[in-house]
Amino acid sequence: AQSVTQPDIHITVSEGASLELRCNYSYGATPYLFWYVQSPGQGLQLLLKYFSGDTLVQGIKGFEAEFKRSQSSFNLRKPSVHWSDAAEYFCAAYNAGNNRKLIWGLGTSLAVNP
Amino acid sequence: EAQVTQNPRYLITVTGKKLTVTCSQNMNHEYMSWYRQDPGLGLRQIYYSMNVEVTDKGDVPEGYKVSRKEKRNFPLILESPSPNQTSLYFCASSLYGTEVGYEQYFGPGTRLTVT
Repeated sequence: AQSVTQPDIHITVSEGASLELRCNYSYGATPYLFWYVQSPGQGLQLLLKYFSGDTLVQGIKGFEAEFKRSQSSFNLRKPSVHWSDAAEYFCAAYNAGNNRKLIWGLGTSLAVNP
Repeated sequence: EAQVTQNPRYLITVTGKKLTVTCSQNMNHEYMSWYRQDPGLGLRQIYYSMNVEVTDKGDVPEGYKVSRKEKRNFPLILESPSPNQTSLYFCASSLYGTEVGYEQYFGPGTRLTVT
């Protein structure tokens, strides 16, 4: 079955440090890929998405993600983390063959130390 | 301002007392969806609607009902709530639905506790 895996349940980084959140998907074909962020007490907000073309995608709040077909990955990165980036991050994938549904990862909780 | 609104934001109720959580979007989106979020289980889809009068079950529809009589509204109904429906609920909408990979816009969430 198709799935999206976020291997890290919880990550803690220091403010100013770089960040990489991992996401792996299992699909036969390349899916549409998304990263969402959920700040405390808020709904989810789209950070960025990949449909096709350039495999390095820029998003909001200084985030970027790189699609690597060979590794079935879509990792989220940020060069310098701010305290306000502390949140829950969700990776999601959509494949037209999967009953037209988004498949969600379980999320990675990010804590930022001052 | 483009947004998805949900009401109430917080609700504590007792087992068996029918309740409705409202969801409304002002973006003229065709697709709307309800999710529940539970620790360790991530987001799970309850029901979705591709357009007015078109609804379908998601992954965890048991114990829930929905209706889509107007494009902007997509209420979630719990006819007889039970404690296992204690959760954080999100409504979401997107322009044409996920089949073309459109972004979903989320409401702020409704924290439901059933005692």
